[in-house]
Amino acid sequence: QMQLVQSGAEVKRPGSSVKVSCKASGGTFGTYGVSWVRQAPGQGLEWMGGIIPNSDSGTHGRRFQGKVTITADASTSTAYLELTSLKSEDTAMYYCARDRYLGHSDIWGQGTMVIVSS
Amino acid sequence: EIVLTQSPDTLSLSPGEGATLSCRASQSVSSSYLAWYQQTPGQAPRLLIYATSSRATGIPDRFSGSGSGTDFTLTISRLEPEDFAVYYCQQYGSSPRTFGQGTKVAIK
Repeated sequence: QMQLVQSGAEVKRPGSSVKVSCKASGGTFGTYGVSWVRQAPGQGLEWMGGIIPNSDSGTHGRRFQGKVTITADASTSTAYLELTSLKSEDTAMYYCARDRYLGHSDIWGQGTMVIVSS
Repeated sequence: EIVLTQSPDTLSLSPGEGATLSCRASQSVSSSYLAWYQQTPGQAPRLLIYATSSRATGIPDRFSGSGSGTDFTLTISRLEPEDFAVYYCQQYGSSPRTFGQGTKVAIK
């Protein structure tokens, strides 16, 4: 059974950047996509964007324009989420998830906590 | 952007009771592109239902989904102790994909 293994928690200063990784273990992404979802403390889920690793075509929601870069390395079945110009409001758990053929997310990573604090 | 509004915000029920969760969309969503997820504290979300009514692998048949257009429903026929959690609907047919705000199913 494939799993998604994310990189560890990060503590960052305001204005800095962070890059979170998501590696497929026990399988590959194949032709499936990868989504990134954010969850601020005590809040709901928010889709940030996604990518199809084999086609290298990333997309993100308009509200994350200039904030987010989503990339992937198909050869290592690893997807990346880079956040720039971090603010305290970016403090959240970040999840990656595998997207099936319709777009629903059937396998989720364990989450990466990013804390932005001075 | 399609806004999904879930109701109620909180549902207080006892084990063994049935639960009906609602998800209303601000515009029509194709039935192929509506999913439900379950999240327990400290855990990642888990896919329950996709394409409105298809159960994900390993999901017990007490969970069922229905609906069309702008109104969708998740039904839990008999609540087990592990079902007390937060449930989110999601549409993935239109970008940006959006989630509802969640419904918490709490123990009464």
